[in-house]
Amino acid sequence: EPEVTQTPSHQVTQMGQEVILRCVPISNHLYFYWYRQILGQKVEFLVSFYNNEISEKSEIFDDQFSVERPDGSNFTLKIRSTKLEDSAMYFCASSDSRDKGNQPQHFGDGTRLSIL
Amino acid sequence: EDKVVQSPLSLVVHEGDTVTLNCSYEVTNFRSLLWYKQEKKAPTFLFMLTSSGIEKKSGRLSSILDKKELSSILNITATQTGDSAIYLCAVRFYGGSQGNLIFGKGTKLSVKP
Repeated sequence: EPEVTQTPSHQVTQMGQEVILRCVPISNHLYFYWYRQILGQKVEFLVSFYNNEISEKSEIFDDQFSVERPDGSNFTLKIRSTKLEDSAMYFCASSDSRDKGNQPQHFGDGTRLSIL
Repeated sequence: EDKVVQSPLSLVVHEGDTVTLNCSYEVTNFRSLLWYKQEKKAPTFLFMLTSSGIEKKSGRLSSILDKKELSSILNITATQTGDSAIYLCAVRFYGGSQGNLIFGKGTKLSVKP
């Protein structure tokens, strides 16, 4: 069964450094998402992406964050100048385009980001 | 203010028991409600509900949506230790281009042998 893959599974970075989290969505999906889950808290939406542009973003997704689809398969989340509070599990998800994207979102296993 | 509220937050049962997990929402322009199972890593999709009163079933799991009551339940019959997980409810509304998912805090289910 097709799945969303994320790399790396764990990233440890010094505060102030830039990180890039990578995702390969399911191949025929056209809607892509990033969520984060701080330890012990609920899953929170960051950003959605369709047709090579951001469709929607939450207030968490400030100028520190950016997303990109550099080629036909990868979808990346970049965090510039990381802060301690960016430590979380970051999930990538994708869904297909039927019913204008109102389809189940399928999640990757996540990247655990630890900021020191 | 939480827009998606799940109850109970945690539940301990014994194998063979039947459990009912609840999810209520306060979301305008409701579009769909989704249930996920989260074990160690990725939330795994279980059901998506858009219409009231139509039960969705998969093996021992079933779910139904009540739009009038703004709620949904997830039932698990004849529970097994493998059902131990956090069950997440998420709601999608009409907003932006396709609507993000708003998650509840989850119900942590522990099934004892």
